[in-house]
Amino acid sequence: SAVISQKPSRDICQRGTSLTIQCQVDSQVTMMFWYRQQPGQSLTLIATANQGSEATYESGFVIDKFPISRPNLTFSTLTVSNMSPEDSSIYLCSGHVGFEAFFGQGTRLTVV
Amino acid sequence: GQQLNQSPQSMFIQEGEDVSMNCTSSSIFNTWLWYKQDPGEGPVLLIALYKAGELTSNGRLTAQFGITRKDSFLNISASIPSDVGIYFCAGQVQKLVFGQGTRLTINP
Repeated sequence: SAVISQKPSRDICQRGTSLTIQCQVDSQVTMMFWYRQQPGQSLTLIATANQGSEATYESGFVIDKFPISRPNLTFSTLTVSNMSPEDSSIYLCSGHVGFEAFFGQGTRLTVV
Repeated sequence: GQQLNQSPQSMFIQEGEDVSMNCTSSSIFNTWLWYKQDPGEGPVLLIALYKAGELTSNGRLTAQFGITRKDSFLNISASIPSDVGIYFCAGQVQKLVFGQGTRLTINP
């Protein structure tokens, strides 16, 4: 298994600003992903965080809005840029050990 | 794209009852995972299934990987108050595809 820590756990941000979310894994994982989850809803994949190269984004998500870094096998960041109230959501990172995915506790973002 | 249909969307049961939920898809998956999510927390992995037909238990939880590789179910026996939460199925080829979730409420 893997223990995944996300920071911050929650934040309230002004529109037009950016927030960077950090994800730290306690062991090396093969793959890391970033998800968005509206309260009470399912998880929507934003992108695959690739170590040492550009992230792979899902339809509807772009690098300019959600830049992602993954400098090594245990750490990744997601930035939510130029935020608007529509970006208010829970953001989750996951890491894979074999075929099993483990999740951080999430970052609850509110944009005002 | 791949989609999972998870049912039921919500369940209201009495403590001690058994629970059953399932996920179906028109796509084939190589792995099925079942998660539970409590408020304010990330999903926690309950059971992982790797082979068609596989039946796996984890305490009071039992899950099966459908023989067609397009479906899976999760059963919870003798429910207790701490079983309350949202349960998600997820099918995987390369990336995870999540079901819409089943919200479980238990009346004591």
